[in-house]
Amino acid sequence: AQSVTQPDIHITVSEGASLELRCNYSYGATPYLFWYVQSPGQGLQLLLKYFSGDTLVQGIKGFEAEFKRSQSSFNLRKPSVHWSDAAEYFCAVGGKGGGADGLTFGKGTHLIIQP
Amino acid sequence: DAMVIQNPRYQVTQFGKPVTLSCSQTLNHNVMYWYQQKSSQAPKLLFHYYDKDFNNEADTPDNFQSRRPNTSFCFLDIRSPGLGDAAMYLCATSRDYTYNEQFFGPGTRLTVL
Repeated sequence: AQSVTQPDIHITVSEGASLELRCNYSYGATPYLFWYVQSPGQGLQLLLKYFSGDTLVQGIKGFEAEFKRSQSSFNLRKPSVHWSDAAEYFCAVGGKGGGADGLTFGKGTHLIIQP
Repeated sequence: DAMVIQNPRYQVTQFGKPVTLSCSQTLNHNVMYWYQQKSSQAPKLLFHYYDKDFNNEADTPDNFQSRRPNTSFCFLDIRSPGLGDAAMYLCATSRDYTYNEQFFGPGTRLTVL
């Protein structure tokens, strides 16, 4: 069964500093990987996705993520955070042809931005 | 411009009183999913429709039902809500199973009194 681990429940970063959110997955083949962001009381917005090809993917709002097969990781990065980035971030995995199983989400990382 | 719409955004019901949550989509996607997200937890898949075919997750309680009368609409029915059913309910759509990319609505926050 596929699974996702986000080791950090909370992360606090100063505005303007760089950010890295960690995500490790467990899946038997090459997975489809996603990062979603959720603002308080809102639904999930897709930041970026990896299906195949270049292992460094660019997303919206200046985010990027790197797929590392050897480490089973898909960490999310941003060079300089803004106060508006404060939110909950979810990493998710889906299998090829596995839409029938939906997405498996990590428990999320709560990002706090300090002024 | 809205693609996945959920109504209402906030729903309050009483213990044991049936409630229906609505989801509509303008994407003409084949697949519609319902997730339950309890406070500070990850979204958990309840069930989904591929076109008219209903697919239930093994651990989804019988208390939860769903209907999809047409491509655009999907409903989540909770027959006898308990206090433990208070959660955010997220609807998502996907064009098909191939890429598993899902588009989420804003969610309905359900409160059970």
